[in-house]
Amino acid sequence: KQEVTQIPAALSVPEGENLVLNCSFTDSAIYNLQWFRQDPGKGLTSLLLIQSSQREQTSGRLNASLDKSSGRSTLYIAASQPGDSATYLCAKTTRNNDMRFGAGTRLTVKP
Amino acid sequence: DAGVIQSPRHEVTEMGQEVTLRCKPISGHNSLFWYRQTMMRGLELLIYFNNNVPIDDSGMPEDRFSAKMPNASFSTLKIQPSEPRDSAVYFCASNRGSERTEAFFGQGTRLTVV
Repeated sequence: KQEVTQIPAALSVPEGENLVLNCSFTDSAIYNLQWFRQDPGKGLTSLLLIQSSQREQTSGRLNASLDKSSGRSTLYIAASQPGDSATYLCAKTTRNNDMRFGAGTRLTVKP
Repeated sequence: DAGVIQSPRHEVTEMGQEVTLRCKPISGHNSLFWYRQTMMRGLELLIYFNNNVPIDDSGMPEDRFSAKMPNASFSTLKIQPSEPRDSAVYFCASNRGSERTEAFFGQGTRLTVV
């Protein structure tokens, strides 16, 4: 069963473009929703965490939103740069601290 | 803190051999997770512990896989006997176990079973 779904699987954009990555999940009884970045051959790095009581979080050029009722989260990246190229994964955490991931979106930002 | 530490970084072993992966979580974190990542299946949750107690091991693929957390600063994931289809990157992660806390990942162990 696919609890967390990410669309698109891959995305290629020119430098400077604003973009949105999507994450949908089953079970609205979440504790939090996290967005991670993974560079090739590396571990995951947490970018943003949205608690269940929050609607969005911002860090620099990144903004993440959460809509529990519809089971959706988005990650907005403003003014994309080649250094943003990576795989972005979202994870939902539910009761007992159970944390499950989507398959990720592989982003390429072309100079 | 040095972050989540996993060892070894790379492991190549022959089919049928026992493999033990190790993880040291961040000090003060009371939850620890083991994941397996492959191209085909993505990042799969194998097992996680809260306060050293296994909470959900439904992701462990077979009885060949076992995990232990004897204390708050150490966990192992063991595969016995190993098979080629176990080849993957295995990640360990930890957090403080509350809704406010982000998870931190180790660099992973790349396992190749030949």
